[in-house]
Amino acid sequence: DVKVTQSSRYLVKRTGEKVFLECVQDMDHENMFWYRQDPGLGLRLIYFSYDVKMKEKGDIPEGYSVSREKKERFSLILESASTNQTSMYLCASSSPRRGHGYTFGSGTRLTVV
Amino acid sequence: GDSVTQMEGPVTLSEEAFLTINCTYTATGYPSLFWYVQYPGEGLQLLLKATKADDKGSNKGFEATYRKETTSFHLEKGSVQVSDSAVYFCALRGTYKYIFGTGTRLKVLA
Repeated sequence: DVKVTQSSRYLVKRTGEKVFLECVQDMDHENMFWYRQDPGLGLRLIYFSYDVKMKEKGDIPEGYSVSREKKERFSLILESASTNQTSMYLCASSSPRRGHGYTFGSGTRLTVV
Repeated sequence: GDSVTQMEGPVTLSEEAFLTINCTYTATGYPSLFWYVQYPGEGLQLLLKATKADDKGSNKGFEATYRKETTSFHLEKGSVQVSDSAVYFCALRGTYKYIFGTGTRLKVLA
């Protein structure tokens, strides 16, 4: 069964900590994405990547960075966590071929205290 | 730019009722259209898709038809079950990335 795996379901971190959220996919997909989901705001794209070592800013990249050293792994980094980054974080991957949908991970609920 | 608009929720229905969740889009070219479902505490799952005008996507009793003339992709199900309670997202795949609607919460009462 193909899947996208996020390393943690729940995380609690302190303000100012550097936080790493890991995402691994086993479908050999070129495209990978990080979203955050907040009540009333829907899904907002943080960063995405179309290939190894490349990254593109999404709609809300401020306070985040990403790393894609291997095709199957896409990491989201919160350089200095703040309380307004408390959210559900969703990783997804997809093929670049037309008509292909996303496969999402189960999400990481991050709380910054 | 590309956008997706879906009806606000929550939608509350009795079991076996007919469901419609409206979705309209704005896009250049010919995007692919999708419906995703999110159950409590989970990520999003692909429910169905359509890649060209007049295509009908279907899965688990849900259907949606790609209507280019009305730029719509409404989700329908003839008889909902309690287990269908979830948040439903309409999405389009544009040139480079996906655009999601804000989601519609469906609650089905026994």
